[in-house]
Amino acid sequence: QLHVQESGPGLVKPSETLSLTCTVSGGSISSRNYYWGWIRQSPGKGLEWVGSFYSTGSTYFNPSLKGRLSISVDKSKNQFSLRLSSLTAADTAVYYCAVQSEHDSASGPVRYWGQGTLVTVSS
Amino acid sequence: DIVMTQSPDSLAVSLGERATIKCKSSQSVFLFSNDKNYIAWYQQKPGQPPKLLIYWASTRESGVPDRFRGSGSRTDFTLTITSVRAEDAAIYFCHQYYTTPITFGQGTRLEVK
Repeated sequence: QLHVQESGPGLVKPSETLSLTCTVSGGSISSRNYYWGWIRQSPGKGLEWVGSFYSTGSTYFNPSLKGRLSISVDKSKNQFSLRLSSLTAADTAVYYCAVQSEHDSASGPVRYWGQGTLVTVSS
Repeated sequence: DIVMTQSPDSLAVSLGERATIKCKSSQSVFLFSNDKNYIAWYQQKPGQPPKLLIYWASTRESGVPDRFRGSGSRTDFTLTITSVRAEDAAIYFCHQYYTTPITFGQGTRLEVK
């Protein structure tokens, strides 16, 4: 059974960069069975897909994040990380690691979720 | 982006009664080549992440009780809970994974009376 767990700071200042890490257990981040990524949830915007990547190295980002986002992978630690720059209060949300199943070379439903980590952007 | 609109925003259903939640996508999420609708439904309880209930519009995830049923095609979808139980009180979301950015409905809060 795949398990994913987020880690990172709970409070970040406006204009700074958020770094979150997702640690994967019960499976390999190199698996071609999944797309690995992030989804966030805030009271105002509901569930919002942030971005994801596939084992081939392809990455997919939400255009709404306008170039502020990067996702990196550490295969030796079976982890992937998110970096979101130029933070504003609108980035305040619960951030989830999200694992989508793969189907016909495209992403499928989100089959596994982390417990989520609340990130507050405030000075 | 494909906009997912759920209705109602909230509903209250008595124990043992049927609950029906609608989801409409702003464009078709049906792929002719594989005859599939790229729709999933999730259940979220307070303090927990969403849990996958249904995918491909009507396929139940392993372990999900058969009182949860998904239906619909192209742009109009329905999640039905045929005989509501107390533990079904939650927020339910629809989700399209037909194209990126993947998008979600705003959620429907189910209260069990």
